[in-house]
Amino acid sequence: ETGVTQSPTHLIKTRGQQVTLRCSSQSGHNTVSWYQQALGQGPQFIFQYYREEENGRGNFPPRFSGLQFPNYSSELNVNALELDDSALYLCASSLGPGTSGTGELFFGEGSRLTVL
Amino acid sequence: DQQVKQNSPSLSVQEGRISILNCDYTNSMFDYFLWYKKYPAEGPTFLISISSIKDKNEDGRFTVFLNKSAKHLSLHIVPSQPGDSAVYFCAASGNQFYFGTGTSLTVIP
Repeated sequence: ETGVTQSPTHLIKTRGQQVTLRCSSQSGHNTVSWYQQALGQGPQFIFQYYREEENGRGNFPPRFSGLQFPNYSSELNVNALELDDSALYLCASSLGPGTSGTGELFFGEGSRLTVL
Repeated sequence: DQQVKQNSPSLSVQEGRISILNCDYTNSMFDYFLWYKKYPAEGPTFLISISSIKDKNEDGRFTVFLNKSAKHLSLHIVPSQPGDSAVYFCAASGNQFYFGTGTSLTVIP
């Protein structure tokens, strides 16, 4: 059983650029959620994907978008980067959509984005 | 608006003693509560959870208590071990998961 993997682990961008972060879900999991964790804060929900469809979204602007592929892997895209987008971006997979079941999320190690 | 709050950013405890981490929430509709542990350079890992219909759940050295009237939950670790040193996040589930800001626990050998 493979765990959640994310890439890249670290990256540096400049304001106005675009970034794509990638996530492979844990084997057997069909749901992927993305979280933003700013320094000193807890993870903040961005959105969730279930069976290739967005299934819930937090309070983030439309320049944050995503995709889920048939193999349940996922991408997070952020356009027009701002300085405040600097954060750790965490991907989490789970067995079902929403907050169903035990509620347990399996997190990757995260992608640390720095926007200069 | 922070719906889940952890008011203690850090806690230091002697090895072998009890660690008590606290969490408060505002939304009475939350139906599930979870604790996650995070080591540096790793993603959070699930530790223990409790349904809103219960007031206690125990798993080895870890016990979570839920007081719905006070909208408060706590995580007890007994006995504390140096390997427990990590950041602990409280989370609540409603239409999404809401996380607190975390408490950094240091267990002193």
